Amino acid sequence: NAGVMQNPRHLVRRRGQEARLRCSPMKGHSHVYWYRQLPEEGLKFMVYLQKENIIDESGMPKERFSAEFPKEGPSILRIQQVVRGDSAAYFCASSPGTGLKDTQYFGPGTRLTVL
Amino acid sequence: KNEVEQSPQNLTAQEGEFITINCSYSVGISALHWLQQHPGGGIVSLFMLSSGKKKHGRLIATINIQEKHSSLHITASHPRDSAVYICAAASYNTDKLIFGTGTRLQVFP
Repeated sequence: NAGVMQNPRHLVRRRGQEARLRCSPMKGHSHVYWYRQLPEEGLKFMVYLQKENIIDESGMPKERFSAEFPKEGPSILRIQQVVRGDSAAYFCASSPGTGLKDTQYFGPGTRLTVL
Repeated sequence: KNEVEQSPQNLTAQEGEFITINCSYSVGISALHWLQQHPGGGIVSLFMLSSGKKKHGRLIATINIQEKHSSLHITASHPRDSAVYICAAASYNTDKLIFGTGTRLQVFP
């Protein structure tokens, strides 16, 4: 049973380009969380999705950031017109969605560098 | 004031020492998570607990719901335990995690 997969592991973009980060949850998991870790800072919640639904996006910046978790395929975190301040490690985690108090399993992260 | 506070921020120890990391939170939670982040950046979930105590090998995690406090203990510490240890409160309604700032542990041989 493969763990949570994220790709790419490293992504370099120039200012103004778009970044697309993918997260494939563990098999059988229907809940996905995205977290961001800025350099030298702690992890921060961004968005919580279930299949085809955004449940909580209170941690998402108001502009340029969007997330989806379609019925088929991975969850996508999309950052439009990237700026240097978007450089960070982006982690996704998945849980089975059997109820509250599910363990979250983390992916290896995508390290985004904006030049 | 952060909703989840950890102490200490940095910790150094000699191999074999008993280590304690503390976590206090001010929000309503469904569970409290302890995570380990290695220098390479990967995150591993160590424990999830909502009451009492859990043990896994040399690691022990406890939580006191009334006092809103949790501790992570490492017995007989080893250099391979060197990592950042993060406590995270799972929000009562959605399970989204609110993270502490982490404790950077270095264990020297």
